[in-house]
Amino acid sequence: AQSVTQLDSQVPVFEEAPVELRCNYSSSVSVYLFWYVQYPNQGLQLLLKYLSGSTLVESINGFEAEFNKSQTSFHLRKPSVHISDTAEYFCASMNTGFQKLVFGTGTRLLVSP
Amino acid sequence: DVKVTQSSRYLVKRTGEKVFLECVQDMDHENMFWYRQDPGLGLRLIYFSYDVKMKEKGDIPEGYSVSREKKERFSLILESASTNQTSMYLCASSAQEGVEAFFGQGTRLTVV
Repeated sequence: AQSVTQLDSQVPVFEEAPVELRCNYSSSVSVYLFWYVQYPNQGLQLLLKYLSGSTLVESINGFEAEFNKSQTSFHLRKPSVHISDTAEYFCASMNTGFQKLVFGTGTRLLVSP
Repeated sequence: DVKVTQSSRYLVKRTGEKVFLECVQDMDHENMFWYRQDPGLGLRLIYFSYDVKMKEKGDIPEGYSVSREKKERFSLILESASTNQTSMYLCASSAQEGVEAFFGQGTRLTVV
């Protein structure tokens, strides 16, 4: 069955510190993987995606994620966070050949000064 | 600019009422989705549609139905609203597999 697990419900971190938000997926077929971000009182927007090719994908605001097939993971990282990165982050998967998009439970990133 | 529009930001309905949540996209997308978002549970898929008049159940379809008579519009129907359906409802659309899904701003539904 298709599923996504985000083990950390909340990650507190100080400004300029590195952060990693964990995501593991389960699927019997090949998958596409996504990270979405939801800022307070806003809708979800795509942060980055893995479809094929290079296993390391990057966003325009300094986040990156690496697809690891052997560990079925797609962890999100940023070397130095800003206050403005405070948001909820959702990992999602879509099995290739299907349209069903499944989300994890989300991780709330709290960046403090 | 791409747009997914949900008809209401906030709704308050009474138990037992029939409730319609409307979603319109202007991107000619084939796929449309309805999710509910609850604290600690993330986004859970209720129904999705990959073409006009085509629909598939998601993970939590009980108590809901959907309608897609036109490509741009996807409606979520609560046949008889109950308090446990109080939630944030999110609509999304996408062009094809593997392409970004665009989300509406959400409808916060309260059933009293």
